[in-house]
Amino acid sequence: EDKVVQSPLSLVVHEGDTVTLNCSYEVTNFRSLLWYKQEKKAPTFLFMLTSSGIEKKSGRLSSILDKKELFSILNITATQTGDSAIYLCAVRETSGSRLTFGEGTQLTVNP
Amino acid sequence: EAQVTQNPRYLITVTGKKLTVTCSQNMNHEYMSWYRQDPGLGLRQIYYSMNVEVTDKGDVPEGYKVSRKEKRNFPLILESPSPNQTSLYFCASSPTNSPLHFGNGTRLTVT
Repeated sequence: EDKVVQSPLSLVVHEGDTVTLNCSYEVTNFRSLLWYKQEKKAPTFLFMLTSSGIEKKSGRLSSILDKKELFSILNITATQTGDSAIYLCAVRETSGSRLTFGEGTQLTVNP
Repeated sequence: EAQVTQNPRYLITVTGKKLTVTCSQNMNHEYMSWYRQDPGLGLRQIYYSMNVEVTDKGDVPEGYKVSRKEKRNFPLILESPSPNQTSLYFCASSPTNSPLHFGNGTRLTVT
């Protein structure tokens, strides 16, 4: 059975801090890893990673995948209160049909 | 505007009363999927569809049915809802092997 584990489950930081969110996975036929941000509504897409060692970056957010060690990290630098959300990691298998999500990391950024 | 539309947004019902949650997308996506989100369990896949007339079970299909008669619509049917189906439901769609676009969710309460 495919498995995605995120850590920490919850994190409270102050504005300006840098955070690292972790995602490890066990998937029979790996195709891609995706990160989503969920505020009070639908998850919104952040990154899709398919190759090891290539960093994806968007503003203060960045992510990298290690296919040998089966994990990914999501970094957020200079955090802002608007970064407060649940961050979801998901892994897609080769056939493209199954997308398995982790529990999510609840990030709270205090002013 | 490109979107995934779910209806209703909120639903309170009683045990055993059949209900349907509709999902429609206007992006001509092949892939559609239903998830439920519960505290501590993350997003779990209920059913998915790779294209018209092609549907398959996800991780938690018991008590649910779906159909994909047209490309744009993917309704979720609960023939005999039970309290353990109280949850937040998301419909999502994407081109094959691309990031999912999520609807805004349906919060279902079964008493």
